[in-house]
Amino acid sequence: DIQMTQSPATLYASVGDRVTITCRASQSISSWLAWYQQKPGKAPKLLIYKASNLENGVPSKFSGSGSGTGFTLTISSLQPDDFATYYCQQYNSLPYTFGQGTKLEIK
Amino acid sequence: EVQLVESGGGLGRPGGSLTLSCAAAGLTFSSHWMNWVRQVPGKGLMWVSRINTDATVTNYTDSVKGRFTISRDNAKNTLYLQMNSLRAEDTALYYCVRDRGWPTGGFDYWGQGTLVIVSS
Repeated sequence: DIQMTQSPATLYASVGDRVTITCRASQSISSWLAWYQQKPGKAPKLLIYKASNLENGVPSKFSGSGSGTGFTLTISSLQPDDFATYYCQQYNSLPYTFGQGTKLEIK
Repeated sequence: EVQLVESGGGLGRPGGSLTLSCAAAGLTFSSHWMNWVRQVPGKGLMWVSRINTDATVTNYTDSVKGRFTISRDNAKNTLYLQMNSLRAEDTALYYCVRDRGWPTGGFDYWGQGTLVIVSS
């Protein structure tokens, strides 16, 4: 199985900050990576697909990059609504696997 | 508006069975692979199973192989997960999820989840 490792587990930031979350795959997954945002009590929401493509309706403040084994999600100009948990997911091979999540908290 | 509505969760006994359903609306259900993803409350996400458009291909994570069966009824726009030989570690919120598929991929629509608790 491909292991997905996110860092940090918790990220403290302030409104207006720009933050970056990292996701590393245990083997190459090309660009078959998605990023999701999950708020308490809600289902995950797709933000980024194929590593760097912004899902329809998602603000351009979210951006993704990377390929192979290293990926990043960057969120610019943080607003209160952005404080949530973020997950990466590889869909290069079965079983599909998720990172353990990064909880973005207000400093 | 796309809706995926899960049902069938509840209390199951160890060794027992439950069947989850997911009713789809507002999308061309028969054109997409569908998945089940589970999440222990307060924990991360885990892919459980997927099924192709005509139900000829199914895949499972190792921990549920031989115990869970995914199926679909395209005429009823409904996805199912038959869960047998339940274990305490199957306790989780189960999401029904659409795979957008080639060439972009990504799980673009999620239901609200149905909670399964396995306990004696």
